[in-house]
Amino acid sequence: KAGVTQTPRYLIKTRGQQVTLSCSPISGHRSVSWYQQTPGQGLQFLFEYFSETQRNKGNFPGRFSGRQFSNSRSEMNVSTLELGDSALYLCASSSPVGGAVAMNTEAFFGQGTRLTVV
Amino acid sequence: AQRVTQPEKLLSVFKGAPVELKCNYSYSGSPELFWYVQYSRQRLQLLLRHISRESIKGFTADLNKGETSFHLKKPFAQEEDSAMYYCALVNYGGATNKLIFGTGTLLAVQP
Repeated sequence: KAGVTQTPRYLIKTRGQQVTLSCSPISGHRSVSWYQQTPGQGLQFLFEYFSETQRNKGNFPGRFSGRQFSNSRSEMNVSTLELGDSALYLCASSSPVGGAVAMNTEAFFGQGTRLTVV
Repeated sequence: AQRVTQPEKLLSVFKGAPVELKCNYSYSGSPELFWYVQYSRQRLQLLLRHISRESIKGFTADLNKGETSFHLKKPFAQEEDSAMYYCALVNYGGATNKLIFGTGTLLAVQP
């Protein structure tokens, strides 16, 4: 079974630009979450999508947005990039069935997209 | 406030020594606690969860609701245990998979 795939692996952008990151979850998983990982803040939750609907959002500015497609693939977009957006962005897929989290929930992480804003 | 605290950024031990990685949490609901591990150049992966009450790679963790702790322990550290360890929680039974992570502890096992 293929794992969570994130593309691209590395990105270099300049301030003010926008960027789109992609995540393909494990087949059958309908929940996709995004996290920002930085040395100073650690892992911070961005948002979660389930069946094409955002069902949870972290404390990030509106420049950060996302969406999920009918095949559960997800994208996140960051507009008007700032130097502080440089980070590793991780995607995780969970739960072969929808609804409440139960003891079989495990988040499977991708290898991440390393975004550098210059 | 929902929070996971890992007080140690770095824990350095010698091979064969006992290891305890500390994790405390603050959560108003009923959490499920996890330990995730990130080995060098590998993706973040689940190590163990409190509900399973199992030992993985010799590691165990017991949820102490009175002390709101979920410390990770191993009696004899191995060099291959060197990695970044993250404690995390999710709202058990809630309609979300949102994980709240601690800031992580880097475990360095010296030969």
